[in-house]
Amino acid sequence: NAGVTQTPKFRILKIGQSMTLQCTQDMNHNYMYWYRQDPGMGLKLIYYSVGAGITDKGEVPNGYNVSRSTTEDFPLRLELAAPSQTSVYFCASSGLGSGELFFGEGSRLTVL
Amino acid sequence: KQEVTQIPAALSVPEGENLVLNCSFTDSAIYNLQWFRQDPGKGLTSLLLIQSSQREQTSGRLNASLDKSSGRSTLYIAASQPGDSATYLCAPREAQKLVFGQGTRLTINP
Repeated sequence: NAGVTQTPKFRILKIGQSMTLQCTQDMNHNYMYWYRQDPGMGLKLIYYSVGAGITDKGEVPNGYNVSRSTTEDFPLRLELAAPSQTSVYFCASSGLGSGELFFGEGSRLTVL
Repeated sequence: KQEVTQIPAALSVPEGENLVLNCSFTDSAIYNLQWFRQDPGKGLTSLLLIQSSQREQTSGRLNASLDKSSGRSTLYIAASQPGDSATYLCAPREAQKLVFGQGTRLTINP
């Protein structure tokens, strides 16, 4: 049972480059989320989705884009990477029932 | 805007002690509250989920309580062990979104 899978686990980008963080879940969850966690801090919500074709901004959406073409996948795109986007990114999902949130293992991104 | 505060920010205790971690939130209109554990360099693992209609939830040596009206939740850890060392985060859910506290970094000394 894979749960929530994120790729890549580690990535180094140069300023101005673009990339996509992949997230897929196999639990048929409707809700999916992207959070970022800076050192010693809590998690901040970047974007979330309540179902295929529906996305909405969280607390810190600037510099990011998302899409949700299927229930399983919720990729996060970084355009024109900046040092301020150096962080650990977590994808998460939850179902409509209990609402329990399940996390992926994280993607550590460094922008130099 | 929901704000979540966790006290203390860090806690160090000897093995075997019972301890309480605190979580407070400003908006009581929540659906549920979840407690997570995070080991260094790792993702978040769900420990307990309390629905808004519940007062407490138990799993093994862990017990979480919820007082929605006062905006408080506590995580009680009984007979602490070195393996309990981690950061513990609470997150109340508002509609589709969870808001996280900054966590309590717990160290259990052998």
